[in-house]
Amino acid sequence: LAKTTQPISMDSYEGQEVNITCSHNNIATNDYITWYQQFPSQGPRFIIQGYKTKVTNEVASLFIPADRKSSTLSLPRVSLSDTAVYYCLVAGNNRKLIWGLGTSLAVNP
Amino acid sequence: EAEVAQSPRYKITEKSQAVAFWCDPISGHATLYWYRQILGQGPELLVQFQDESVVDDSQLPKDRFSAERLKGVDSTLKIQPAELGDSAMYLCASSSPPTSGPYEQYFGPGTRLTVT
Repeated sequence: LAKTTQPISMDSYEGQEVNITCSHNNIATNDYITWYQQFPSQGPRFIIQGYKTKVTNEVASLFIPADRKSSTLSLPRVSLSDTAVYYCLVAGNNRKLIWGLGTSLAVNP
Repeated sequence: EAEVAQSPRYKITEKSQAVAFWCDPISGHATLYWYRQILGQGPELLVQFQDESVVDDSQLPKDRFSAERLKGVDSTLKIQPAELGDSAMYLCASSSPPTSGPYEQYFGPGTRLTVT
């Protein structure tokens, strides 16, 4: 099972771009990289998923280099409401998600 | 937007008592998951159902925990007897097959269990 490593915490300010990097050195060929967001006392919420290069949706971008051993979640112009825990997960089809500690992002005014 | 429903939202029970949680997944989602999340940690998968069948319960403490999904729709997770260490958030999630990649899981609001 692919293990991920990400910073325990990060601080930012409103309006800034936030980049959270995740390391997954033993990612398998058929593994995808998925990011979830979790607010206190709520269940996690899917943000974005990718296999290689760059994926963008209405809330975030995901950058994956050619070797796929790491990935970066980019949140443009964060607001106070983006304060949450962000989880990076690596898994292939029908494989269960292994959740780490996540990155606790604090956005300050 | 369809959501995963869970009840109760909060539960306080004394140790050695029985407790049950209920989950109603998004309509049409064949896969249902129960997770336990201790404060400050990521969710830990307890059991995964595909329709009414259990496909993974390797982390379920079977001496005290049980889960069922009799008609392949809603599900119940039971703890008997509850222990102090069971205090946690219990999350239910559901998913349907994606076009590619791992299943995107949709989570309910969770049940916060406190065992005293």
